[in-house]
Amino acid sequence: AQSVTQLDSQVPVFEEAPVELRCNYSSSVSVYLFWYVQYPNQGLQLLLKYLSGSTLVKSINGFEAEFNKSQTSFHLRKPSVHISDTAEYFCAVIRSGNTGKLIFGQGTTLQVKP
Amino acid sequence: DAGVTQSPTHLIKTRGQQVTLRCSPISGHKSVSWYQQVLGQGPQFIFQYYEKEERGRGNFPDRFSARQFPNYSSELNVNALLLGDSALYLCASSAAAGAYEQYFGPGTRLTVT
Repeated sequence: AQSVTQLDSQVPVFEEAPVELRCNYSSSVSVYLFWYVQYPNQGLQLLLKYLSGSTLVKSINGFEAEFNKSQTSFHLRKPSVHISDTAEYFCAVIRSGNTGKLIFGQGTTLQVKP
Repeated sequence: DAGVTQSPTHLIKTRGQQVTLRCSPISGHKSVSWYQQVLGQGPQFIFQYYEKEERGRGNFPDRFSARQFPNYSSELNVNALLLGDSALYLCASSAAAGAYEQYFGPGTRLTVT
């Protein structure tokens, strides 16, 4: 069975500072990886995905994540955060061949302070 | 184009009652998945439907059921509600059964009293 561990439940950071949200997964089979963001009282928005190809994937708003197969990690980074990045971030995996079932981590609350 | 839509936005029910939640996928998407998100936790997979057939089921009791209609919209039904069913219920659509990216709706907040 697959599982996802987000190592930090809360990450406080000052505006314009860099941030890393950590995600590790366990799986005996190939998986695909995702980061979703959830703003208060809203649904989930797809932020990044790794399906194949380059192990470094980037979003349009400055986030990036690197798939590390040997360390079974998919950490999310941003070199300079904004107040508007304050949200809950979820790492998720889906088993290759099992398209419907996303398995989510517990989430990390990113709190950006002025 | 409209994203995934869900109705109602909020719902308050009493223990023992039944509830039906509705979801319309992104136009052109044929697969719908349902998730339960309890406060402070990540979403948990409940069901996936593709072309009106159940393609996957999570670890939820038989009180939970769902169906998908010819227009690919979907309903989630929960019978004999318990206090522990209070959660945000999220619907996600994907383009096909073989597509891995899922796009989520805003959710239905269910409160059971």
